[in-house]
Amino acid sequence: DGGITQSPKYLFRKEGQNVTLSCEQNLNHDAMYWYRQDPGQGLRLIYYSQIVNDFQKGDIAEGYSVSREKKESFPLTVTSAQKNPTAFYLCASSSRDTQYFGPGTRLTVL
Amino acid sequence: GESVGLHLPTLSVQEGDNSIINCAYSNSASDYFIWYKQESGKGPQFIIDIRSNMDKRQGQRVTVLLNKTVKHLSLQIAATQPGDSAVYFCAENEGKTSGSRLTFGEGTQLTVNP
Repeated sequence: DGGITQSPKYLFRKEGQNVTLSCEQNLNHDAMYWYRQDPGQGLRLIYYSQIVNDFQKGDIAEGYSVSREKKESFPLTVTSAQKNPTAFYLCASSSRDTQYFGPGTRLTVL
Repeated sequence: GESVGLHLPTLSVQEGDNSIINCAYSNSASDYFIWYKQESGKGPQFIIDIRSNMDKRQGQRVTVLLNKTVKHLSLQIAATQPGDSAVYFCAENEGKTSGSRLTFGEGTQLTVNP
């Protein structure tokens, strides 16, 4: 069963805590991406990685960190420095131009 | 910077009618465009794509039209069904300088009335 998985589907955290969102793909894609989506809004790019052990900041990287130690995995950490972390987080991957998305993780800060 | 935008934030159609969702882009260097469908609480789903060397591409019940002269992209859905109700996003790849990055529009909410 190929595709992109994100876990957990729903995540709650207390203010001031760091939290890590998981993204795994078995599509053998080189590039992976993290987006943030706020209610009624479009997608904003947080970080992306075009190859293992390399990643670049997107448009809204402040308060987030990533790693890309394996081709299949691209975890996103939402740190306490992110002022407004409550949002829907989407992971995507691509082999060329077309990006395919995971089901998303809804993060709520209590 | 350069951006992709949509003319209409919402579109309401009757079941069985054809739907047309529009998208304007401003970067003439963009060479690849995608339409995504996003249902509530889910990730965007790829619908159809088109490259800048084409002006029309058809899929199952969907057609994408590209007018490079006026930098306009549209998605046509034939015989719209209630299951087509969702937010539709266009996205562009701004040519070789952007690598594999996509820029997304704001989205159009399509509502299909029975």
